[in-house]
Amino acid sequence: QKEVEQDPGPLSVPEGAIVSLNCTYSNSAFQYFMWYRQYSRKGPELLMYTYSSGNKEDGRFTAQVDKSSKYISLFIRDSQPSDSATYLCAMSVRSGGYNKLIFGAGTRLAVHP
Amino acid sequence: KAGVTQTPRYLIKTRGQQVTLSCSPISGHRSVSWYQQTPGQGLQFLFEYFSETQRNKGNFPGRFSGRQFSNSRSEMNVSTLELGDSALYLCASSLEPGLTDTQYFGPGTRLTVL
Repeated sequence: QKEVEQDPGPLSVPEGAIVSLNCTYSNSAFQYFMWYRQYSRKGPELLMYTYSSGNKEDGRFTAQVDKSSKYISLFIRDSQPSDSATYLCAMSVRSGGYNKLIFGAGTRLAVHP
Repeated sequence: KAGVTQTPRYLIKTRGQQVTLSCSPISGHRSVSWYQQTPGQGLQFLFEYFSETQRNKGNFPGRFSGRQFSNSRSEMNVSTLELGDSALYLCASSLEPGLTDTQYFGPGTRLTVL
C-alpha cells in the first residue's frame, strides 16, 4: 500500500463547475500538506500549503485537511479551462533528521468550455 | 527573478550508457533536490544537496548520483542506463534545506532510454 493514495482520473468537468480533488494517507506522522499544479511539459508549482486540520482558502481554491480521517481535499470553485492540469497532493514528514516529501500519483483534470 | 532552469530539456540514450543532467537553482537558493517522475510511480525523491553536500537520499540504486557546485548549481548522473530509467527528472530549489513547503521546480529533463 502506498503512503499517499490519489485517484489519477482523468476528471472532466464543464467550465464553472466545482471540482473536488482528494488524497488519503496512511502515515499519521505527516505534518505538512501541499497541493501542486502541473501543466503539461512543466514542473509542478505550489498552489496551497497547510499544516493543520481545517480549511484554508486562496481565491477560488480551498484546501481541506482532516487528520482524524487521514484525508485531504482541494476544491476549485468556478473552474476555468486554464485550470486544466494535473494536480498532485504532497505530504511532508520529519524522518531521520530530514523533511521527507511524499507525492500522490496526481489527478489529471480537464475543464471544457 | 529567473526560475529554476534545467538542461537539456530532452535526452535520448540507449541502455548501458550514462547521462548527466544539469540544474541551476533560483538565484540565492542554496538547496537543490532532485526527483524522478514516471506514470507508474509518480514523483519520487532522489536526493537533496546543500553546501555541496548530499543531505538526504531517497531509495534509488547507486547508479543514481549527484553533486553540487560552489555556485549551488547541481548535476545528477545516471550510469548504466536501464529502460526503467525513462522518466521526467525534476530539480527543485529552496533557500534552505528541508523547506519542502517553498520548493520551486524546474521544467524537468525528459529522458528516454531505448
